[in-house]
Amino acid sequence: DVKVTQSSRYLVKRTGEKVFLECVQDMDHENMFWYRQDPGLGLRLIYFSYDVKMKEKGDIPEGYSVSREKKERFSLILESASTNQTSMYLCASSRRDRGHQTSYEQYFGPGTRLTVT
Amino acid sequence: AQSVSQHNHHVILSEAASLELGCNYSYGGTVNLFWYVQYPGQHLQLLLKYFSGDPLVKGIKGFEAEFIKSKFSFNLRKPSVQWSDTAEYFCAGSGTYKYIFGTGTRLKVLA
Repeated sequence: DVKVTQSSRYLVKRTGEKVFLECVQDMDHENMFWYRQDPGLGLRLIYFSYDVKMKEKGDIPEGYSVSREKKERFSLILESASTNQTSMYLCASSRRDRGHQTSYEQYFGPGTRLTVT
Repeated sequence: AQSVSQHNHHVILSEAASLELGCNYSYGGTVNLFWYVQYPGQHLQLLLKYFSGDPLVKGIKGFEAEFIKSKFSFNLRKPSVQWSDTAEYFCAGSGTYKYIFGTGTRLKVLA
């Protein structure tokens, strides 16, 4: 079974703090993703990475950065947390078909519910 | 622009009723389509997927979906829902690397 784990289930931080969210997958997947999930808005892609040290902006990258130093680990960083970043953060991973450059199904972690006060 | 849209935001059904959740996509080129489910308090998991071939795909727990290219649709169906199907359902598409998710449909099944 694919396992995607996230460092915390619940996190409470103060405005202005730097926040690190860690994600680890154990299936040697090339692709990794960070989303935020908000009621009525579904899943919105923040960043994704298709290889080590590679990253691409998603739909809402402002206020976030990412790091992928090892294939299995993808970190999301909130440089200076703000109250509008209070949300559920989901990490996911997937295989990538190198020939066709399409992606297969994603496997999700349990999520980190971040509250910024 | 690529997009995935789900038209039903909230659906309430009685047990044993039939279910159909709509999903429309807009993609250029090859697209893979998925339905994911999130049960209360649990993480997102795959219900079913379509890559190519038979346009009628079957997933877990009695769910199925039909890919209709001419209508750009990938609707999710189940002939008879159960109380345990209460969850949020997401349609998604992928082309290169990037996935696009619909905004989700919250299904509540009344016992």
